[in-house]
Amino acid sequence: DVKVTQSSRYLVKRTGEKVFLECVQDMDHENMFWYRQDPGLGLRLIYFSYDVKMKEKGDIPEGYSVSREKKERFSLILESASTNQTSMYLCASSFKSQPQHFGDGTRLSIL
Amino acid sequence: QQPVQSPQAVILREGEDAVINCSSSKALYSVHWYRQKHGEAPVFLMILLKGGEQKGHEKISASFNEKKQQSSLYLTASQLSYSGTYFCGTESSGDKLTFGTGTRLAVRP
Repeated sequence: DVKVTQSSRYLVKRTGEKVFLECVQDMDHENMFWYRQDPGLGLRLIYFSYDVKMKEKGDIPEGYSVSREKKERFSLILESASTNQTSMYLCASSFKSQPQHFGDGTRLSIL
Repeated sequence: QQPVQSPQAVILREGEDAVINCSSSKALYSVHWYRQKHGEAPVFLMILLKGGEQKGHEKISASFNEKKQQSSLYLTASQLSYSGTYFCGTESSGDKLTFGTGTRLAVRP
């Protein structure tokens, strides 16, 4: 069974902090994705990666960056956290164009 | 641009049927359906490819009308376990998967 693990279920940070959200998958998937989920807005893609050291902007990349140094790990970075980045963050992985497998999510609060 | 889902929310009694629609402004190659139960990760239900096929998964089935650029998810004889938020994801040629705004479904005893 595919396992996508996000490092924290809940996280509280302060405005201006640099925040790291980590995601690890155990199925050797090439593709990894970061989404944020907000009520009424569904799942919106922040960044995705098709290979190690590769990254592509999604629909809402502003204020975020990503890092993929190893195939199994995809990190989302909030360079200077702001209150409007309070949200649920979901990581997903997939093999080529196969269905995506999601982690349980990180609920991030920025105070 | 995100596909639009309707309705935004629906409440059913056990045993009732529901239809969730997903519409896109783009020509579609495929439609994916996911369900997310409260506090859990979204889980893949099914994928429909260009060709207007219909698929089924237990008492949940879906259709894809590529001319209308829309898909519908059919839940028949709903069970309590069907409660959750349903997302469609659409793919256009050469484009990444884009998820809709979600439909919250609550099934009451």
